[in-house]
Amino acid sequence: GQQLNQSPQSMFIQEGEDVSMNCTSSSIFNTWLWYKQDPGEGPVLLIALYKAGELTSNGRLTAQFGITRKDSFLNISASIPSDVGIYFCAAPDKYSTLTFGKGTMLLVSP
Amino acid sequence: DGGITQSPKYLFRKEGQNVTLSCEQNLNHDAMYWYRQDPGQGLRLIYYSQIVNDFQKGDIAEGYSVSREKKESFPLTVTSAQKNPTAFYLCASITGGETQYFGPGTRLLVL
Repeated sequence: GQQLNQSPQSMFIQEGEDVSMNCTSSSIFNTWLWYKQDPGEGPVLLIALYKAGELTSNGRLTAQFGITRKDSFLNISASIPSDVGIYFCAAPDKYSTLTFGKGTMLLVSP
Repeated sequence: DGGITQSPKYLFRKEGQNVTLSCEQNLNHDAMYWYRQDPGQGLRLIYYSQIVNDFQKGDIAEGYSVSREKKESFPLTVTSAQKNPTAFYLCASITGGETQYFGPGTRLLVL
């Protein structure tokens, strides 16, 4: 099946720092999704991207749909302790089943 | 409030036992999905259903079964054939577009 390669696997940063993570694939997608999962909870959708080259913001979060349609990036500015969690990229196939990256675990030190 | 509910939050299974995880949604969504999450791995698709009385196998369907008798409900049974059932199970639903909404999850543990 399709695979999404997400990096980095984990990040440990200081509060106030900016964070960048990315997701790549050998396949082309028409939609890229970014989710955040808090411990013991279900993932929550952060940002959805529908167009190649699109740059979308949600508060301190900014995500981009790569121009090749094979990658996507998520940036978090001025991180705070509540940003802690696992961030997943995901992309749907034609049946709307999602393929997920393995996640980036973010830890923020106060 | 509209949303997806999963129960129970924690479930214990004895060897050789079948257990059923509940997923209910009142969002009037057509499609529903079951995923399994293991530590350090992304979510993997078990089964999905796009309409009532129809469902399809995902990437890791062996040892699991589902039913979709009502639009609101998509229960997952973990059978005794699933030799490594300990995981976090997530249910999701979608309508129209491609953004799935997830329930809070059920953690299954084997005694």
